[in-house]
Amino acid sequence: GAGVSQTPSNKVTEKGKYVELRCDPISGHTALYWYRQSLGQGPEFLIYFQGTGAADDSGLPNDRFFAVRPEGSVSTLKIQRTERGDSAVYLCASSLTPKTSSYNEQFFGPGTRLTVL
Amino acid sequence: TQLLEQSPQFLSIQEGENLTVYCNSSSVFSSLQWYRQEPGEGPVLLVTVVTGGEVKKLKRLTFQFGDARKDSSLHITAAQPGDTGLYLCAGARGNMLTFGGGTRLMVKP
Repeated sequence: GAGVSQTPSNKVTEKGKYVELRCDPISGHTALYWYRQSLGQGPEFLIYFQGTGAADDSGLPNDRFFAVRPEGSVSTLKIQRTERGDSAVYLCASSLTPKTSSYNEQFFGPGTRLTVL
Repeated sequence: TQLLEQSPQFLSIQEGENLTVYCNSSSVFSSLQWYRQEPGEGPVLLVTVVTGGEVKKLKRLTFQFGDARKDSSLHITAAQPGDTGLYLCAGARGNMLTFGGGTRLMVKP
């Protein structure tokens, strides 16, 4: 069965440009997460979708970052006016419908390595 | 600032040695996960510990959750070169994960 896939695997852009990063979750997973992992650090939470809606976007660093999941499956992370500090690996994860009293395992994609020159 | 502090950040050992990685926090989590991440890949879940004081074993890996559910440890017995990688702990509150900074382990043959 297919796992979480992310495209592109690598993206090099220039400062000030706009980029879109795509995530295809595991089929049937209603929850989707975006994380950012800087070099030598652990993943940092950005945003969490339950279905089509953003249930928690408290991790987005500023209004240049935006994510959508219009049909409750594929998600796109959008970064406007990119800055060199945005360079990182952007990870996507998905999980089954979250339960209020227990934790559902998150399955991670391989990430998109974004380099802003 | 990481809510979960992992130590050590880097560890280089010889094959056959034992090691322990620590994950500490001032916050209580409903569960704690340990992940392993290889270069160019996403983290892969190794284990989830839920109950304070819980100990889980996965072959040569032993995971322990602190009594107060704020800290955890990962002990590897007789490390092998195949254990090389980045080990991450992550605390869960509901469905949200907070990751530690990771421990990069290198096991030399």
